[in-house]
Amino acid sequence: NAGVTQTPKFRVLKTGQSMTLLCAQDMNHEYMYWYRQDPGMGLRLIHYSVGEGTTAKGEVPDGYNVSRLKKQNFLLGLESAAPSQTSVYFCASSYGVRGSTYEQYFGPGTRLTVT
Amino acid sequence: RKEVEQDPGPFNVPEGATVAFNCTYSNSASQSFFWYRQDCRKEPKLLMSVYSSGNEDGRFTAQLNRASQYISLLIRDSKLSDSATYLCVVAALGYQKVTFGTGTKLQVIP
Repeated sequence: NAGVTQTPKFRVLKTGQSMTLLCAQDMNHEYMYWYRQDPGMGLRLIHYSVGEGTTAKGEVPDGYNVSRLKKQNFLLGLESAAPSQTSVYFCASSYGVRGSTYEQYFGPGTRLTVT
Repeated sequence: RKEVEQDPGPFNVPEGATVAFNCTYSNSASQSFFWYRQDCRKEPKLLMSVYSSGNEDGRFTAQLNRASQYISLLIRDSKLSDSATYLCVVAALGYQKVTFGTGTKLQVIP
């Protein structure tokens, strides 16, 4: 049982390049989330998904796109990377969104630097 | 005013000490409350949920004060392994209203 995995763990991009971050979970969770964490800002929700084939915008969605073609996978895309997107990206999943089912399980993170 | 506020610390305490953190929230419609722990350069992990009646898990006690809109975390008999950043998480109804605090750093000193 791997929980939540993320690939890659580290990446350096040049401004304007594109990339996709992959998140996979093996807990059969319906809900999946992408966050970014910056110093002094806390975790901020980029996009989330309430089930296979659905996605929605979070607090800071600009510059990112997502897809959830399979229940276990949630992809985060950067079409044209900017230095402001330098951050640590965490994927998370949860069984539900009420009470104790809201516990979010996080992946190990992807450290992205855009030069 | 931030939706969720925490004292960033660091709180430097000796082993065996008792330490308490508070977290205030501004949305009175908030319904779910959690404490997460995050080790340096690692992912956050759930420490405990916070229930209206308060709850205890070993050396850790969490409490909720809805009237004053804050939650607290008390750690008794601090261990070196408790050194981490503690994140307060507040959620209103639904996933899109979850807010993470910026965290309180705890350093337990031998």
